[in-house]
Amino acid sequence: RKEVEQDPGPFNVPEGATVAFNCTYSNSASQSFFWYRQDCRKEPKLLMSVYSSGNEDGRFTAQLNRASQYISLLIRDSKLSDSATYLCVVEGSGNTGKLIFGQGTTLQVKP
Amino acid sequence: GAGVSQSPRYKVAKRGQDVALRCDPISGHVSLFWYQQALGQGPEFLTYFQNEAQLDKSGLPSDRFFAERPEGSVSTLKIQRTQQEDSAVYLCASSLADRGGYTFGSGTRLTVV
Repeated sequence: RKEVEQDPGPFNVPEGATVAFNCTYSNSASQSFFWYRQDCRKEPKLLMSVYSSGNEDGRFTAQLNRASQYISLLIRDSKLSDSATYLCVVEGSGNTGKLIFGQGTTLQVKP
Repeated sequence: GAGVSQSPRYKVAKRGQDVALRCDPISGHVSLFWYQQALGQGPEFLTYFQNEAQLDKSGLPSDRFFAERPEGSVSTLKIQRTQQEDSAVYLCASSLADRGGYTFGSGTRLTVV
């Protein structure tokens, strides 16, 4: 079983739709959680950190459920420019800052 | 520099050839990480440096892979006797401390033929 699991998609949605991605992680000791965005043939870029209390950044909302070891990302009012792969990321063991990436979920927003 | 710089951007190697991939992190960033990303997959951890010390190399897939950061700045990932399964994008990332999000370089796309 992978340490971080995501549905690879693709998710095809119309502009303006609300879409949600989920991921689960196996290491209950993990303390830091992130969502990264990766455009085709580009490097991953930090989208947002994920906190236990939940956090929002514009149209993006991230939630963490430690009991269920579950992380979510909600995108409201999808834009064409949101089309990308979204990587769920969890801090690995060993307190080195090593990050464990999920496979990524591909989003395609269509006009 | 302003960002993490990696070179070369693309590398084609014949099977059995040795390659060296360079990473120039953001100035002052203590932590440096190497990741391998195969097509359609997320990045997989290879190794981690804190300054010049290689603190974690648990992700290196075989003893053909070797990384160094002798002066705590520029790092080199060396792959000896390349195999086809080494074909991937090799990403370098740096951060100020050992927690928090990273900044990635653009990666080196290695193709072994």
